Amino acid sequence: QKEVEQNSGPLSVPEGAIASLNCTYSDRGSQSFFWYRQYSGKSPELIMSIYSNGDKEDGRFTAQLNKASQYVSLLIRDSQPSDSATYLCAVNGYTGGFKTIFGAGTRLFVKA
Amino acid sequence: DVKVTQSSRYLVKRTGEKVFLECVQDMDHENMFWYRQDPGLGLRLIYFSYDVKMKEKGDIPEGYSVSREKKERFSLILESASTNQTSMYLCASSFSEDEQFFGPGTRLTVL
Repeated sequence: QKEVEQNSGPLSVPEGAIASLNCTYSDRGSQSFFWYRQYSGKSPELIMSIYSNGDKEDGRFTAQLNKASQYVSLLIRDSQPSDSATYLCAVNGYTGGFKTIFGAGTRLFVKA
Repeated sequence: DVKVTQSSRYLVKRTGEKVFLECVQDMDHENMFWYRQDPGLGLRLIYFSYDVKMKEKGDIPEGYSVSREKKERFSLILESASTNQTSMYLCASSFSEDEQFFGPGTRLTVL
């Protein structure tokens, strides 16, 4: 079982719609959760970090965390073609020592 | 802004060559990481370092070594390059357990 799982996609949404990206993780002791965006041929860059249960909003982005269900999601409102990228979920795990574990990423296409 | 730089964007080497990839960060971060990224496999951790002269193996350390003689610099060494080490190599740094800042990456081709 992968430690951080994401649907590889591609997820295709029309411009202006809400894109919903999901991630599950296996380490119940995890306390830090991150979403990175990676454009083709570029390196990952942080979009959101979340540390406590509930929602965290930043502009068009909302991160949601549910530790009981070991689930973290990213919502992108009013999706734009420039949001087309691969989104990586990352979780700081502590089993056997501190370690950041990345999911394989979900490819998002926003159609104009 | 945090800046992480890598010595080369593109590199072509021959099988058996010794390869050095260098990474420098300018924000006094204690943690530095080396990943490789391959299609369908995501980011895989090769080595990381949480202090000068300290190193820890990641998930795929075989065929690689690292060096961290100064806090701002973390080097990845391929002792004898092989074709299966053709990949995108990404360096990152972080303060404590916070977000990681990535360099632009080095696309290495081993012929």
